[in-house]
Amino acid sequence: DVKVTQSSRYLVKRTGEKVFLECVQDMDHENMFWYRQDPGLGLRLIYFSYDVKMKEKGDIPEGYSVSREKKERFSLILESASTNQTSMYLCASSQGGTVPSYEQYFGPGTRLTVT
Amino acid sequence: GENVEQHPSTLSVQEGDSAVIKCTYSDSASNYFPWYKQELGKRPQLIIDIRSNVGEKKDQRIAVTLNKTAKHFSLHITETQPEDSAVYFCAASRSFGNEKLTFGTGTRLTIIP
Repeated sequence: DVKVTQSSRYLVKRTGEKVFLECVQDMDHENMFWYRQDPGLGLRLIYFSYDVKMKEKGDIPEGYSVSREKKERFSLILESASTNQTSMYLCASSQGGTVPSYEQYFGPGTRLTVT
Repeated sequence: GENVEQHPSTLSVQEGDSAVIKCTYSDSASNYFPWYKQELGKRPQLIIDIRSNVGEKKDQRIAVTLNKTAKHFSLHITETQPEDSAVYFCAASRSFGNEKLTFGTGTRLTIIP
């Protein structure tokens, strides 16, 4: 059973703070993704990674960076948190390669509030 | 880039009736179309997907249809039950999901007992 975990369920930070959100998957998946979920806007991709130390921008990368030093771990970094980054952040992973299943497995989410 | 539009944003149906959610996509190179279900307070989970070489796929009470010419795909749920109440997201991707997914904005489905 695939398990994707995120470091915090709830997080409250102040404007200007540096924020780290961590995601770990235990199924040796190649692909990892960070989304933010806002009401009426669906799931929007921030960054994704196909391999260790590799990253690609998604649709809304501004204000964020990522790090993937190990295959199982993908971190999202808010360099200087702002109130418009208050949101639910979801991490996901998928196996990658040429396998028949391309399902993305999601973590439980981190609800971040920036005050 | 890809743009996925999803309608309606909310849908209420009587228990036992059918529900249909529709999505359109803009990138003609997209060839993989999954649907995710997110129950209240839980993480999204894949419920069904379809690839561009198939026009329709069924799994018990749910089915998905794809019209590549119109760049349109739909989720059909028959004999709806209370546990079908959730937010449903469609998505599109090139390269059978090995590239990024672009999600629609979601449909909140409520089943009225």
